[in-house]
Amino acid sequence: DGGITQSPKYLFRKEGQNVTLSCEQNLNHDAMYWYRQDPGQGLRLIYYSQIVNDFQKGDIAEGYSVSREKKESFPLTVTSAQKNPTAFYLCASNGRGLQETQYFGPGTRLLVL
Amino acid sequence: ILNVEQSPQSLHVQEGDSTNFTCSFPSSNFYALHWYRWETAKSPEALFVMTLNGDEKKKGRISATLNTKEGYSYLYIKGSQPEDSATYLCAFKAGNMLTFGGGTRLMVKP
Repeated sequence: DGGITQSPKYLFRKEGQNVTLSCEQNLNHDAMYWYRQDPGQGLRLIYYSQIVNDFQKGDIAEGYSVSREKKESFPLTVTSAQKNPTAFYLCASNGRGLQETQYFGPGTRLLVL
Repeated sequence: ILNVEQSPQSLHVQEGDSTNFTCSFPSSNFYALHWYRWETAKSPEALFVMTLNGDEKKKGRISATLNTKEGYSYLYIKGSQPEDSATYLCAFKAGNMLTFGGGTRLMVKP
């Protein structure tokens, strides 16, 4: 089945530690996105990538980094510089075209120990 | 950062009631307006993509309208059912990015 997978479902981070969230899609989509959701708030864009080896900062990129070495994969690293990382993280992708909707993964919940 | 607002934030209705929510967005640089439904413990799923002023889209009991000149979209649910309980998100597309509103959380009581 085509879709987006994210792992792990839950992730615990210690102070000062970098952690990486995985996002993989087999939809053959060029564009991929990372969003963060905090309680009571909507989705905020962290980073996005329109093509392999290229990515752009979203509204809240500070303290995060990404890579796009393969079309299928768009991992997000939450660095120690991100002072408030506890949130729900969603990965999404879409194809080309104005009518294309975004497809979302199941999400990763990150908690700080 | 673009301002996309949804109202109300939450809504409780009885089964069988019809309801509607609002999404307001910038009226300039418009590419498209998306609506998504996000049920608890699931991923958001697309309902509609609207691109033209005056667009009306329908999917079963759910419909949406679009006014790009004044910067708003309405989502209507006719005869709400408990399975309609979810958070409804709108998102404004400008260029390659979507900017999401805060969502309207709908709870339908049987």
